[in-house]
Amino acid sequence: AQSVTQPDIHITVSEGASLELRCNYSYGATPYLFWYVQSPGQGLQLLLKYFSGDTLVQGIKGFEAEFKRSQSSFNLRKPSVHWSDAAEYFCAVGGGSGYSTLTFGKGTMLLVSP
Amino acid sequence: EAGVAQSPRYKIIEKRQSVAFWCNPISGHATLYWYQQILGQGPKLLIQFQNNGVVDDSQLPKDRFSAERLKGVDSTLKIQPAKLEDSAVYLCASSSSGGAGDTGELFFGEGSRLTVL
Repeated sequence: AQSVTQPDIHITVSEGASLELRCNYSYGATPYLFWYVQSPGQGLQLLLKYFSGDTLVQGIKGFEAEFKRSQSSFNLRKPSVHWSDAAEYFCAVGGGSGYSTLTFGKGTMLLVSP
Repeated sequence: EAGVAQSPRYKIIEKRQSVAFWCNPISGHATLYWYQQILGQGPKLLIQFQNNGVVDDSQLPKDRFSAERLKGVDSTLKIQPAKLEDSAVYLCASSSSGGAGDTGELFFGEGSRLTVL
């Protein structure tokens, strides 16, 4: 069965500092990997996705993530955090087929301090 | 392009009452999903439809939850009778399906927040 682990429930980062959110997955085949962001009271918005090719993927809002098959990881990074980045971040894994089902991690809440 | 539409946005009911949520996916998306998101947790899949057929409902509590997508477009999720632990946000999502290049990306609605008292 596929699963996702986000080991950090909360992370606090100073505005302007760099950010890395951790994600480890378990999947029996080549995974499709996603990062979503959720602001309070809102639905989930896709930040970026990996399904093949270059293991470093660029997303919206200056985010990037690196797929490391040997470590079963797909960590999210941003070089300089803005106060508007405060939100909850979810990593998800799926198979990418027409019957794909995404399995989500429990999320990491990002707090940005001035 | 219009996104995934859900209603109502908020609903408060007492336990043992019933409630229904509606979802209209992105036009042309054959696959529709209902996820349950309990406070502090990630979304959990309840049911997945491909057109008007059920692909996966293994985590749907069928004694109280039901869902349908009769014409393969919009969908309704019903809870009857509701329990306190059903308090959550119910997220609807849709995706295109099949064919080369399908990345399995899901597009989410804003969710329906249910509070059971």
